[in-house]
Amino acid sequence: DTGVSQDPRHKITKRGQNVTFRCDPISEHNRLYWYRQTLGQGPEFLTYFQNEAQLEKSRLLSDRFSAERPKGSFSTLEIQRTEQGDSAMYLCASSHDTIYEQYFGPGTRLTVT
Amino acid sequence: KQEVTQIPAALSVPEGENLVLNCSFTDSAIYNLQWFRQDPGKGLTSLLLIQSSQREQTSGRLNASLDKSSGRSTLYIAASQPGDSATYLCAVSPPEAWNTGKLIFGQGTTLQVKP
Repeated sequence: DTGVSQDPRHKITKRGQNVTFRCDPISEHNRLYWYRQTLGQGPEFLTYFQNEAQLEKSRLLSDRFSAERPKGSFSTLEIQRTEQGDSAMYLCASSHDTIYEQYFGPGTRLTVT
Repeated sequence: KQEVTQIPAALSVPEGENLVLNCSFTDSAIYNLQWFRQDPGKGLTSLLLIQSSQREQTSGRLNASLDKSSGRSTLYIAASQPGDSATYLCAVSPPEAWNTGKLIFGQGTTLQVKP
């Protein structure tokens, strides 16, 4: 399977804990994106990498959120001191540098209790 | 600020019916438009990508059209089947797509096809 993969698929955590999600993009894609989706809504853009450089961050990405893509391959999204409002589906996508069609992974569903 | 709207929010049709899903956007300056399918609790599957210079794209029973000047796109599904039941999302990419990753999504239309 050469699609976008995400791990874990589900995460339940208590308020105040830190969580980290991983995304592995399609191997030949050098662009990687993170989105957040709440129930009944479309995904909202969080951040975007081109290779290892984080080029854009949404205002939704508060100081408690940090994303990395250290070697231009997989990416991690960390949420510190989780809050109940962080409960959502976190989606990762990747695309080629010139075609821009985005391919999404299965998502990580976060539940903060 | 670009806003994307999908109407209706939900749609129920009998199997075999042809149907149209609507997507509108407030700023006609877009780079491309994508239609996605999302099954409950799952990620998004890309269905069709229309570049801003194109008028339509077809894949199997799906046909998507784009009218940039009026800020509208439609997704036509022919001969609907129960397996088509899902939420359909449209998303636009801003004109500076070469320099940004952002897709702006509508809220989706949840389709139910009854056997």
